Amino acid sequence: EAGVTQFPSHSVIEKGQTVTLRCDPISGHDNLYWYRRVMGKEIKFLLHFVKESKQDESGMPNNRFLAERTGGTYSTLKVQPAELEDSGVYFCASSQDQGAEDGYTFGSGTRLTVV
Amino acid sequence: SQQGEEDPQALSIQEGENATMNCSYKTSINNLQWYRQNSGRGLVHLILIRSNEREKHSGRLRVTLDTSKKSSSLLITASRAADTASYFCATDEGDSWGKLQFGAGTQVVVTP
Repeated sequence: EAGVTQFPSHSVIEKGQTVTLRCDPISGHDNLYWYRRVMGKEIKFLLHFVKESKQDESGMPNNRFLAERTGGTYSTLKVQPAELEDSGVYFCASSQDQGAEDGYTFGSGTRLTVV
Repeated sequence: SQQGEEDPQALSIQEGENATMNCSYKTSINNLQWYRQNSGRGLVHLILIRSNEREKHSGRLRVTLDTSKKSSSLLITASRAADTASYFCATDEGDSWGKLQFGAGTQVVVTP
């Protein structure tokens, strides 16, 4: 079974540019989550999809961030325009059920650097 | 505010020794999970303990949960160099399934 796949693994962009991160969850997992870890801080929740619907987007920092999950399969997270403080590692996770014994499966993350 | 706070921030031990790290949290939880992150890699789920459980084992891992003190500990027995990683606790709160609250992590270095 393939795990959660994220790409790109690294992205370096200039301030003001747009970047789109992609996450492919484990096939059949209805729940998809985005998290990020900015430099020196703890991993923070961004949002949660159940299939194609946003269940909870309370962690999205501002309207420069747009997440989509059309068709309930893969998800994209767009940052437009990117700012320096957006630099960090963006993780995606998926699960079939909430609170399942095997927790949540995380991808390897996308390291975003805004210069 | 940070939900899970870990202690110590860093731990250096030799192979064969045990490593213990602690996590405290603030609110009621459904479960508490521990994750490992090797340098440059993703988070790997290690173990989940539910709020009505007090202790759980998985291989060389032992986790305890004290809901009265809102704290948990992770013990890695007979550590190996491959256990070198950052370890994070994460709480799954009352009505926010999947909205994990992570601690800052404990960086563990195991030297041969």
